[in-house]
Amino acid sequence: LAKTTQPISMDSYEGQEVNITCSHNNIATNDYITWYQQFPSQGPRFIIQGYKTKVTNEVASLFIPADRKSSTLSLPRVSLSDTAVYYCLVGDSYTGGFKTIFGAGTRLFVKA
Amino acid sequence: GAGVSQSPRYKVAKRGQDVALRCDPISGHVSLFWYQQALGQGPEFLTYFQNEAQLDKSGLPSDRFFAERPEGSVSTLKIQRTQQEDSAVYLCASSRTPAGDTEAFFGQGTRLTVV
Repeated sequence: LAKTTQPISMDSYEGQEVNITCSHNNIATNDYITWYQQFPSQGPRFIIQGYKTKVTNEVASLFIPADRKSSTLSLPRVSLSDTAVYYCLVGDSYTGGFKTIFGAGTRLFVKA
Repeated sequence: GAGVSQSPRYKVAKRGQDVALRCDPISGHVSLFWYQQALGQGPEFLTYFQNEAQLDKSGLPSDRFFAERPEGSVSTLKIQRTQQEDSAVYLCASSRTPAGDTEAFFGQGTRLTVV
């Protein structure tokens, strides 16, 4: 099964760029990499998804090296409201099932 | 509605009681997922539906857990003879296409407490 590893927590200050790296050594050829954000008492919310190279949207960038064994979520100029848990998710297709595996998540704390 | 709706938001059950948790996905979404999230942990996959077909139920922790989506829209997760270890937030998510390549939209979850 494709397993992900992320740092447990990170601290940052408002206005800084934050990079969270996720390791997924056993990623399958057909798997996409997706990042979600979760606030307390809410369901996860989609941030960005990619397959390879670089993807950018209005809130984040996702960098994926050629071997796809890791990915880095980049949040430009974070604010206090970006304090949340960030999950790296890899779609599991090894067994032909549709199970998607969340990592343990990275707790980002943004300070003023 | 505009998003995934789950009900109830909170449920307290006595140990041994049966519970039913409801998920209203976004209209027209093909895929529907159920997850269990323990306090301080990431969501754990329970089961997956593609329309009305339950294609993966490998994450259901025991035969006390049962999920259905009879008409390919609303889904119900049923837990029989609840135990304290079933206490968790149960999340439902839907996506427009079959799993893997599109964004999944999550509901706010149902917090189940078994006493």
